Amino acid sequence: DGGITQSPKYLFRKEGQNVTLSCEQNLNHDAMYWYRQDPGQGLRLIYYSQIVNDFQKGDIAEGYSVSREKKESFPLTVTSAQKNPTAFYLCASSIDGAGAGKNIQYFGAGTRLSVL
Amino acid sequence: SQKIEQNSEALNIQEGKTATLTCNYTNYSPAYLQWYRQDPGRGPVFLLLIRENEKEKRKERLKVTFDTTLKQSLFHITASQPADSATYLCALATGGFKTIFGAGTRLFVKA
Repeated sequence: DGGITQSPKYLFRKEGQNVTLSCEQNLNHDAMYWYRQDPGQGLRLIYYSQIVNDFQKGDIAEGYSVSREKKESFPLTVTSAQKNPTAFYLCASSIDGAGAGKNIQYFGAGTRLSVL
Repeated sequence: SQKIEQNSEALNIQEGKTATLTCNYTNYSPAYLQWYRQDPGRGPVFLLLIRENEKEKRKERLKVTFDTTLKQSLFHITASQPADSATYLCALATGGFKTIFGAGTRLFVKA
């Protein structure tokens, strides 16, 4: 089955701890994205990557880091600098690596992160 | 500032009726407008895309309109069913790499 796989589904973070959320896609898409979703708010862009070994900050990148070493994988690390990490995190990919502009997003099932 | 507004109040309708959801935006010039469906605890799923030079797009029981003068899109589900109950997100793609999402409107269809 083609798609995006996020793991784990639920994650708990202790004070001062860094945690990493996994995102893998087998859609052969160039572009990948991380969003944060809080109740009553739209999806907010954390980071995005147009191509392997390149990524850009989104609107709320502070306290987060990413890597894009392989086309299939775009892990997100929530660092201890992120003081309010409790949220639903969504990874997405898009075929528009060349900036064609439609940016139709294909999402994973999400990771719910809570603070202990 | 740039904003996308969707009705934050839930929409409750009876099965068989047409559901109409509204998406308004300011200070954007989107090349494409998208609609997604999101079920509780799941990621959004793409439904329809409409281009800035299109007025209307249909797919089965779904219809989307796009008025760039009013800066508004309407999303219609005809002959609604309880299985259509979900949150529907409007999103704008401006031609670059980013897609901007609204907060969504929750739809409840009663049998």
